[in-house]
Amino acid sequence: NAGVMQNPRHLVRRRGQEARLRCSPMKGHSHVYWYRQLPEEGLKFMVYLQKENIIDESGMPKERFSAEFPKEGPSILRIQQVVRGDSAAYFCASSPPEDRGANEQFFGPGTRLTVL
Amino acid sequence: GQSLEQPSEVTAVEGAIVQINCTYQTSGFYGLSWYQQHDGGAPTFLSYNGLDGLEETGRFSSFLSRSDSYGYLLLQELQMKDSASYFCAAGRRALTFGSGTRLQVQP
Repeated sequence: NAGVMQNPRHLVRRRGQEARLRCSPMKGHSHVYWYRQLPEEGLKFMVYLQKENIIDESGMPKERFSAEFPKEGPSILRIQQVVRGDSAAYFCASSPPEDRGANEQFFGPGTRLTVL
Repeated sequence: GQSLEQPSEVTAVEGAIVQINCTYQTSGFYGLSWYQQHDGGAPTFLSYNGLDGLEETGRFSSFLSRSDSYGYLLLQELQMKDSASYFCAAGRRALTFGSGTRLQVQP
């Protein structure tokens, strides 16, 4: 059973460009989460999605950031007009629909975004 | 909102026991989780406490006291490979993480 997959693993963008980060959850997992981690810091929750629905986006900046989890295909975190402060590691996690999955999340390897 | 406090660094020797504490303040509480993260790696789930008491998983144990808003992760028989950052996390699905404790295991 493949784990959570994220691509690309590393992404370099210039200021003003768009960044698209992809996440494929583990098989059988219907819940996807996105977190951001700055160097030497903890993970900060951004958004929680189920298929075709955003459940909680309380941690996501109101501007330039968006997320989706379509019926078919991976979840995508999109950052428009990137700025240097967006440089971070972005982790995707998934969990099964059971209650236990609320706290036991399976993380992907992350995408390291560098904005020049 | 939620906030979690944990020590920034802990150092111990191989074979020893180390305890990493976590205190929290939450508006609603759904239990405390622990994650391990090696440098450059992904967080890995270690343990979850939904109720007061001790949960044991091999060399790792986790404890929760909801009346004290306090928990800890206990690592026994430390090995060099245990050198990593350890995070406590609270919440339900939308997890709030502490800032992490960097554990350095020395020979």
